[in-house]
Amino acid sequence: EPEVTQTPSHQVTQMGQEVILRCVPISNHLYFYWYRQILGQKVEFLVSFYNNEISEKSEIFDDQFSVERPDGSNFTLKIRSTKLEDSAMYFCASSEDWQETQYFGPGTRLLVL
Amino acid sequence: ELKVEQNPLFLSMQEGKNYTIYCNYSTTSDRLYWYRQDPGKSLESLFVLLSNGAVKQEGRLMASLDTKARLSTLHITAAVHDLSATYFCAVVAAGNNRKLIWGLGTSLAVNP
Repeated sequence: EPEVTQTPSHQVTQMGQEVILRCVPISNHLYFYWYRQILGQKVEFLVSFYNNEISEKSEIFDDQFSVERPDGSNFTLKIRSTKLEDSAMYFCASSEDWQETQYFGPGTRLLVL
Repeated sequence: ELKVEQNPLFLSMQEGKNYTIYCNYSTTSDRLYWYRQDPGKSLESLFVLLSNGAVKQEGRLMASLDTKARLSTLHITAAVHDLSATYFCAVVAAGNNRKLIWGLGTSLAVNP
């Protein structure tokens, strides 16, 4: 069964460093999303992406964040200068259509020290 | 702004018992999802509910949607230990809106 994959599974970084989180969505899906979940808290929407551009973003998704689809398979989230409060689990998701179920990857646990 | 509330947030129940988790949302919604999350794991889609009166069942779980009351329920029948997990509802506001707004989750522990 097709699934969303994410790398790395864990990343530890120093405050102020740049990180890139990678995702490979399900191959026939057209809509891509990033969410984050701070430990023990609810899932928060960051951004949705379709047709090589951002469809919607939350207030969390400020200038420190960017997304890219550098090739036909990868979808990346970049955090330019990490802060302590960026420590969270980051989930990538994809869907066939915007009305369809979003399928989530296993997540990347980011720890900013 | 769409807000999603779940209750209870924590639920400890015995195997074999029935219980219901509630999800209320504050504005008109296009659709509502239920997801399951095991500790340290990803989010697994359980149900998507698209219209008023929608009811879906999978095994011991049944989800329903009342759009007039802005309420969804996830009913657990004859709980088993394997159902122990956190259950989230997530809602998309009406209109051309692609983001899911999530409840805080209900942490369910099913005890022998």
